Amino acid sequence: ETGVTQTPRHLVMGMTNKKSLKCEQHLGHNAMYWYKQSAKKPLELMFVYSLEERVENNSVPSRFSPECPNSSHLFLHLHTLQPEDSALYLCASSQDGGSDTQYFGPGTRLTVL
Amino acid sequence: GNSVTQMEGPVTLSEEAFLTINCTYTATGYPSLFWYVQYPGEGLQLLLKATKADDKGSNKGFEATYRKETTSFHLEKGSVQVSDSAVYFCALSDKSGYSTLTFGKGTMLLVSP
Repeated sequence: ETGVTQTPRHLVMGMTNKKSLKCEQHLGHNAMYWYKQSAKKPLELMFVYSLEERVENNSVPSRFSPECPNSSHLFLHLHTLQPEDSALYLCASSQDGGSDTQYFGPGTRLTVL
Repeated sequence: GNSVTQMEGPVTLSEEAFLTINCTYTATGYPSLFWYVQYPGEGLQLLLKATKADDKGSNKGFEATYRKETTSFHLEKGSVQVSDSAVYFCALSDKSGYSTLTFGKGTMLLVSP
């Protein structure tokens, strides 16, 4: 499945760094999502975009800043992260905001030192 | 609120054994139900889905039936292979407003030759 791609696949950063995660979907979908997957915890929905408008933000700290410049691209800008932010960050897309089938990318494994 | 409960893992089986991974849910209305699979080092892949009561989702030899009376969506496979070793996630979408998935914690399956 190469419909949703994410770069980089692995990222190590210090707490004072600024970095960005990129997601691109090639499925013609109109909705995109960021999830956080931590060890031994259910996947946590972070952000939802539909037609490039943010429609949901699940109380995510401001050190995570999403950007959706068009319906094919989604970014997650990171700054001043904490070690507990180390996790696998997954991007997903769906046909539209009301479509219940989501397709996931391979994820970015983030380690914060 | 919505919730999904999966059996604790890991589930350890020999090749060609029968697999059952239990999943029960709590939701308002009539959600859609999903099984996703995550192979080591990869993102989530949609395995199968069912959108209404008594529907059976199937793919790659895996099956799950939407049981409204028992609020369950158990995953089964008649004969597992080593290549089925992965983490399996049960999820629901309540189809209200924008699509959001509620995931279980995941069940690791280990299949030995």
